[in-house]
Amino acid sequence: GAVVSQHPSWVICKSGTSVKIECRSLDFQATTMFWYRQFPKQSLMLMATSNEGSKATYEQGVEKDKFLINHASLTLSTLTVTSAHPEDSSFYICSARDGSANSYEQYFGPGTRLTVT
Amino acid sequence: GENVEQHPSTLSVQEGDSAVIKCTYSDSASNYFPWYKQELGKRPQLIIDIRSNVGEKKDQRIAVTLNKTAKHFSLHITETQPEDSAVYFCAAEGNKLTFGTGTQLKVEL
Repeated sequence: GAVVSQHPSWVICKSGTSVKIECRSLDFQATTMFWYRQFPKQSLMLMATSNEGSKATYEQGVEKDKFLINHASLTLSTLTVTSAHPEDSSFYICSARDGSANSYEQYFGPGTRLTVT
Repeated sequence: GENVEQHPSTLSVQEGDSAVIKCTYSDSASNYFPWYKQELGKRPQLIIDIRSNVGEKKDQRIAVTLNKTAKHFSLHITETQPEDSAVYFCAAEGNKLTFGTGTQLKVEL
């Protein structure tokens, strides 16, 4: 149980275009989902926290107009990278917390490798 | 905000030896401390976690200790095997999950 999927697993796009990444909790309802970014040989950095039905909370330094997050249902959150630039190339990982479980554990998706050319 | 420091950044051990990774955190309100193993290009995989009301937890070859007073926690892997080679991250959660900088563990034959 507690499986989180992400789609796509990798994407290459041209500079200036937008890319949407989906994160789904497959067998539980996720009241809270998290988006992380990981540059090569670095740690995971939290970008934003999204709660179902409300606006996402962005971490300091993360542009909310560039990284659009939508958490429209208890099983789906999307991250849209708008007007992507080469410096946005990174590994984007989502995670979700089971709202019904008395647990701190976050279940991570497999990640999306974004390359902006 | 929370700051998590992790040492060492790289660790090389012989198969069968023990490996220890240490982390410190700054926010005394943090109360959940997970450890993750991440292989290249893969998702972080939770290997063990501990809550602030517990000082030590063990799961087979893996153990974690927590000293809340000193704000540090450690991961211990015994009888290391080549498949333990990966990057390990500690993390601390108060109002959000903050990751350490990672330790590249290499288990040599």
